[in-house]
Amino acid sequence: KQEVTQIPAALSVPEGENLVLNCSFTDSAIYNLQWFRQDPGKGLTSLLLIQSSQREQTSGRLNASLDKSSGRSTLYIAASQPGDSATYLCAVRTDSWGKLQFGAGTQVVVTP
Amino acid sequence: DADVTQTPRNRITKTGKRIMLECSQTKGHDRMYWYRQDPGLGLRLIYYSFDVKDINKGEISDGYSVSRQAQAKFSLSLESAIPNQTALYFCATSGGTGQRKSTDTQYFGPGTRLTVL
Repeated sequence: KQEVTQIPAALSVPEGENLVLNCSFTDSAIYNLQWFRQDPGKGLTSLLLIQSSQREQTSGRLNASLDKSSGRSTLYIAASQPGDSATYLCAVRTDSWGKLQFGAGTQVVVTP
Repeated sequence: DADVTQTPRNRITKTGKRIMLECSQTKGHDRMYWYRQDPGLGLRLIYYSFDVKDINKGEISDGYSVSRQAQAKFSLSLESAIPNQTALYFCATSGGTGQRKSTDTQYFGPGTRLTVL
């Protein structure tokens, strides 16, 4: 069974620092990996999706890498801002039907 | 208007009561999902549906049932609620519109916070 782990569970950084969030998975046979952002009282918002054949994806200040062979993905957020405070979840797509297996998330606080 | 809506947003109920959570979407997607989120455990899949006639159990379906009334509506029922079903429940959709098929990105509703006393 696929297991997805996110470490650390919580992270606090001062504004302006770069954020590095880690995600690991036990079975490398994935279709893709997705990073989501979750704000209190709101649903999940997709940030980046990396196909299994890709090594990285970028969107603005966000960059996500994928090393399928080692079962790891890293989300980098450059020059963090207080508005980046949220919980970040990674999820791997495990089959052709689109089912996702989620990690427990990393709660990020960016202090002014 | 939000593409994926859930009602109610918050609900407090008692053990043994029947509860229905509703989800509607205007994205025209064929695939819909119900997840629950517990602190420290991430999201776990309860049920998923690929069209009105195709409903499948997920990882944790015991104690739950679903109904896909139309392509745009997917309801989750707790037949007899128990305290360990206290959680945050999310509905999600994926799939294409028209001739474009893309099942990769799931779009989530805002969630329903359910408390069973």
